[in-house]
Amino acid sequence: NAGVTQTPKFRVLKTGQSMTLLCAQDMNHEYMYWYRQDPGMGLRLIHYSVGEGTTAKGEVPDGYNVSRLKKQNFLLGLESAAPSQTSVYFCASSDYGGTNEKLFFGSGTQLSVL
Amino acid sequence: TQLLEQSPQFLSIQEGENLTVYCNSSSVFSSLQWYRQEPGEGPVLLVTVVTGGEVKKLKRLTFQFGDARKDSSLHITAAQPGDTGLYLCAGVSSGAGSYQLTFGKGTKLSVIP
Repeated sequence: NAGVTQTPKFRVLKTGQSMTLLCAQDMNHEYMYWYRQDPGMGLRLIHYSVGEGTTAKGEVPDGYNVSRLKKQNFLLGLESAAPSQTSVYFCASSDYGGTNEKLFFGSGTQLSVL
Repeated sequence: TQLLEQSPQFLSIQEGENLTVYCNSSSVFSSLQWYRQEPGEGPVLLVTVVTGGEVKKLKRLTFQFGDARKDSSLHITAAQPGDTGLYLCAGVSSGAGSYQLTFGKGTKLSVIP
């Protein structure tokens, strides 16, 4: 069972460079999410999608863009990376979006911006 | 913005000891979830509690949702090294036809053999 797969697992960027993180899920889930996790800050929602072709802003969306062209994929883009975007990024998916929502997380991408 | 405060932030105990971690908020949640995260991995859902006062048990782990649905606790009996990890609580709130999940900052537990 693949579940939620994130690529790459590690990446180092220079300030100003761009990159795209890929998230793929094989559970036919409607909802997908991008979080960042920083020491002492917990998990913070960047963007999310409630279905193919839809995206919405979360708590910390500035500096990021997302696309959900296919139901199984959710892409997170950084157009001009900044050191403040050094973090561990997690993708998650769920099939409910309600009170009993169960999120399935990927194993994360460690991003360092120098 | 709804906040969830977790305490303690760090906890280091000997194998076999009991422990309780707390998740508190001034806001009411529709439900509350507990996740465990191991190093290098994403969080994994342990339990969801929905009803005020609800108690759920998962082997040596006991989860309780406060009567007012503003707080929750996780009690581990006879901790084992395999319990080591970051424990995150997450509150589910609803409004305007949508649901929002808010995470606490976590409790980092180390169980020493």
